[in-house]
Amino acid sequence: NAGVTQTPKFRVLKTGQSMTLLCAQDMNHEYMYWYRQDPGMGLRLIHYSVGEGTTAKGEVPDGYNVSRLKKQNFLLGLESAAPSQTSVYFCASSYSTGLNEQFFGPGTRLTVL
Amino acid sequence: GNSVTQMEGPVTLSEEAFLTINCTYTATGYPSLFWYVQYPGEGLQLLLKATKADDKGSNKGFEATYRKETTSFHLEKGSVQVSDSAVYFCAQYNQGGKLIFGQGTELSVKP
Repeated sequence: NAGVTQTPKFRVLKTGQSMTLLCAQDMNHEYMYWYRQDPGMGLRLIHYSVGEGTTAKGEVPDGYNVSRLKKQNFLLGLESAAPSQTSVYFCASSYSTGLNEQFFGPGTRLTVL
Repeated sequence: GNSVTQMEGPVTLSEEAFLTINCTYTATGYPSLFWYVQYPGEGLQLLLKATKADDKGSNKGFEATYRKETTSFHLEKGSVQVSDSAVYFCAQYNQGGKLIFGQGTELSVKP
């Protein structure tokens, strides 16, 4: 069991470039989440999904899009990166609601110049 | 709205010292409460949880008691080790199916 994996681990972008972060889980979890972690601010939810084909906005969705075409994958897209999106991005998954443990990936460190 | 507030870090302790990391929450009703731990270079892992008032969650020598009177869920450990050095996050589950995290408290344990 790999658990939750994220690709890539590190990335540097220039302002205006686009990219997609990939999250994959092999635990057959229904729920998946994308968070960003910034110093002194904890984790903030960007988007989440409660099942294949569904997505919903979290606390800080602006500038990001997501897709959940397959149950095991959750993609986070940045269409036009901005320096304010420099952060560490974590994907997580859970069996059902937040009452269940969320399992986190190792994170992607993104720098936007 | 719902929120979680933790004591500011970093917290620096000597090995075998007693640890307390304070966590308080604001919420409508009585949410489930969690402590997650993030070791250097890794994602978060669930450390313990409590789902109702007066519940005590425990794991790996850490404990936290859900106190509805003081809206608190303080994390404690009687004797910390160097391997406990990490960032600790308090969180609550809200009715929208989402976790709300505190800002995190960095713990550094010196030998």
